[in-house]
Amino acid sequence: EIVLTQSPGTLSLSPGERATLSCRASQSVSSSYLAWYQQKPGQAPRLLIYGASSRATGIPDRFSGSGSGTDFTLTISRLEPEDFAVYYCQQYGNSPLTFGGGTKVEIK
Amino acid sequence: QLQLQESGPGLVKPSETLSLTCTVSGGSISSSNNYWGWIRQPPGKGLEWIGSIYYSGSTYYNPSLKSRVTISVDTSKNQFSLKLSSVTAADTAVYYCARSGDGMDVWGQGTTVTVSS
Repeated sequence: EIVLTQSPGTLSLSPGERATLSCRASQSVSSSYLAWYQQKPGQAPRLLIYGASSRATGIPDRFSGSGSGTDFTLTISRLEPEDFAVYYCQQYGNSPLTFGGGTKVEIK
Repeated sequence: QLQLQESGPGLVKPSETLSLTCTVSGGSISSSNNYWGWIRQPPGKGLEWIGSIYYSGSTYYNPSLKSRVTISVDTSKNQFSLKLSSVTAADTAVYYCARSGDGMDVWGQGTTVTVSS
């Protein structure tokens, strides 16, 4: 099983700042089958990034993903008020599919 | 626009079987090269993949739950279902269904299942 470790656990930032979230895998993720999700309280997760760097339909270009192998990053270039949420990474190249523990981006 | 909706009992007794159905609307469960999956989230915790099914019926499960999980599909009703047997309080969670391809791009709203006597 591929274990995904997200850091930091919590990120305290102000609107307009840049957010950098990390996801590290315990072994190489096949073909960069790595996705990022945003989840707000009481809502289902929303797909932001798939294939490590491709934005999902309707996702603003302030969200970008990068990385390969075992190290992946989600960057939010300028935080908007609606971006404060919990973010999860997920690998879907190997079974079982696994999620990271999440990073909470909170308003400073 | 593709939509998914979970349905089933919100309360299940310990040792019994949890049964949920996901109804797909706005598209055919058979029409795309996707798997259909179940994911759960215990209160205040992260996401856990339970398992997935292809419209043809092929399945794959999380080994941590495999002995208790059955996922099936009914293409005539455009639905897929989850059964989780011998439930305990640790199975209390919000259960989501989702379309799974390049990431999970369409999710149901989730349904809360509480295991309690």
